Amino acid sequence: GAGVSQSPRYKVTKRGQDVALRCDPISGHVSLYWYRQALGQGPEFLTYFNYEAQQDKSGLPNDRFSAERPEGSISTLTIQRTEQRDSAMYRCASSLAPGAGAGSGANVLTFGAGSRLTVL
Amino acid sequence: DAKTTQPNSMESNEEEPVHLPCNHSTISGTDYIHWYRQLPSQGPEYVIHGLTSNVNNRMASLAIAEDRKSSTLILHRATLRDAAVYYCILRVPSSNTGKLIFGQGTTLQVKP
Repeated sequence: GAGVSQSPRYKVTKRGQDVALRCDPISGHVSLYWYRQALGQGPEFLTYFNYEAQQDKSGLPNDRFSAERPEGSISTLTIQRTEQRDSAMYRCASSLAPGAGAGSGANVLTFGAGSRLTVL
Repeated sequence: DAKTTQPNSMESNEEEPVHLPCNHSTISGTDYIHWYRQLPSQGPEYVIHGLTSNVNNRMASLAIAEDRKSSTLILHRATLRDAAVYYCILRVPSSNTGKLIFGQGTTLQVKP
């Protein structure tokens, strides 16, 4: 697609429910990243994938959070047994070529509009 | 990872130049300096990046100090649409990771 697409844009759920947030990266982009952003704060790294392989999940806050990208394209971030503290904007980003190095334009991240999660 | 320090907020008048500073005194010789900005209610977007030499693109210029311990993002003529949070980020030239670690950034207000 033309940009990074995230769905749903808004999700309101009750505490204890599971939620799944979807990210459709730019076509052909190898790397996919998940971030979480609280109001007034910078984005906080959660996890990222190269193709279908999860390369780094050091930012996932606890084992209620998981992510997958089974076919190397669309990714799903799942939060089980949601808590009120999980309320935030969840942002997905993709980049073309991780192997291009930090100085290459191919490693620039393009972000989606985000999914706003509210846990009541 | 080396850290960056930015002022929390800055103000500018419309159509005047804006210089957004960033300190990165612990930068290593191979870290790239990247700038992203986040407009209200939008995701971050790439602005510019550089290593040692000053860089220009259609959005901004990046001036890098000779010792690389600081850099400045320059918006040559600020518009109201440039009001955003600007993030200065150091990226290591690893071959298999593109993840960014965001700080608090500088909130730029542009007055008409």
